[in-house]
Amino acid sequence: GQNIDQPTEMTATEGAIVQINCTYQTSGFNGLFWYQQHAGEAPTFLSYNVLDGLEEKGRFSSFLSRSKGYSYLLLKELQMKDSASYLCAALSSGGSYIPTFGRGTSLIVHP
Amino acid sequence: SQTIHQWPATLVQPVGSPLSLECTVEGTSNPNLYWYRQAAGRGLQLLFYSVGIGQISSEVPQNLSASRPQDRQFILSSKKLLLSDSGFYLCAWSVEAGITDTQYFGPGTRLTVL
Repeated sequence: GQNIDQPTEMTATEGAIVQINCTYQTSGFNGLFWYQQHAGEAPTFLSYNVLDGLEEKGRFSSFLSRSKGYSYLLLKELQMKDSASYLCAALSSGGSYIPTFGRGTSLIVHP
Repeated sequence: SQTIHQWPATLVQPVGSPLSLECTVEGTSNPNLYWYRQAAGRGLQLLFYSVGIGQISSEVPQNLSASRPQDRQFILSSKKLLLSDSGFYLCAWSVEAGITDTQYFGPGTRLTVL
């Protein structure tokens, strides 16, 4: 089976850095996605990692360690608009290539 | 560029009534299409996916059904809604690109069953 774990909620201060962790267990592995979802809206794609290491996209970076079944999303220079839920999703290697989503981490950024 | 539409945006329905939610994609051909439900405080639950016209795979047995009458149209239906059907329904599309199959979501339909 597949299992995705991420913290339920995190809080951080505007301007700070926050790291949202995700651990996964899948049948085989074909990559990990991060999505951002603002309240009442649809998830939007942030990143995809399939190789070990850090990938940076502006203020957001995503890290993957395949051997540890671990990823994190790093948000720098936090802004109030970054308050949202962040969904981790792992892609297994069998069959349909449909990712399994975690329950999401609700990030609250306060002044 | 590709766009995905869902309607209606919100819906309030009584228990036992039928349901029809529609999703259409523009700007791409032969997409994979998905229906998800997101209940309050819970993760995304995959309901159905389709890799082509008339091809539907069901992930969770329940009183919902899906159809794909056209390449870029995906419909979620129910004959009789239950209270537990309330939630945020999201349609998504993807195109196969090697092993990467990034999903892009529509704006969603918020369904309340009373």
